[in-house]
Amino acid sequence: QVKLVQSGGEVKKPGASVKVSCKASGYTFTDYGLSWVRQAPGQGLEWMAWMNPDNGHTKYAEKFQGRVTMTTDTSTNITYMELRSLRSGDTAIYYCARDRLYDWNFHPADFWGQGTLVTVSS
Amino acid sequence: DIQMTQSPSSLSASVGDRVTVTCRASQSISSYLNWYQQKPGKAPRVLIYGASSLRGAVPSRFSGSESGTHFTLTISSLQPEDFATYYCQQTYSSPYTFGQGTRLEI
Repeated sequence: QVKLVQSGGEVKKPGASVKVSCKASGYTFTDYGLSWVRQAPGQGLEWMAWMNPDNGHTKYAEKFQGRVTMTTDTSTNITYMELRSLRSGDTAIYYCARDRLYDWNFHPADFWGQGTLVTVSS
Repeated sequence: DIQMTQSPSSLSASVGDRVTVTCRASQSISSYLNWYQQKPGKAPRVLIYGASSLRGAVPSRFSGSESGTHFTLTISSLQPEDFATYYCQQTYSSPYTFGQGTRLEI
């Protein structure tokens, strides 16, 4: 069955970086895209980034441009999201999700990881 | 960025009620609209994609419709397990923005 398993929670100081991993299994990794979505405590969902692991094409929300990098390792089916220059407002649960491979496709984010809590505090 | 205005922000209803949640896009998004359900402490779960296509294993009491830039999620007869927060998301143009969410309470 399709599973996305994320790395454990992190506590970081302001200005530091965090790298969250997401290991996919149960499907052909390069047949689907991957997205990252975050949720601050008590708040709504915020889309951050998307990648096509077949060709490496990425899209990032302008809000995070320059601070976020999404990478994948197709040999291990792991996707990483690195967020740099952390501030208190980045405290959130970060989710990875299996998503569409091409942006003209209607396929939704249909399988999600369990979420990773990143806490930014001095 | 495309703004997704979701209403209401919260809604009280009873088991058996028919409930409607709406989402309005700030510009045309064709049918690139998904609906998600989220329960406390859990990841979101997709209900509807492409504005009106029901995701497999989602009960048929959930349905989606569109009219121009207005999108609607309808639950025909609320069940106890439906009390949750619902989000719309446009996937027409990056950034793929979510609505603010609708909290459905008993």
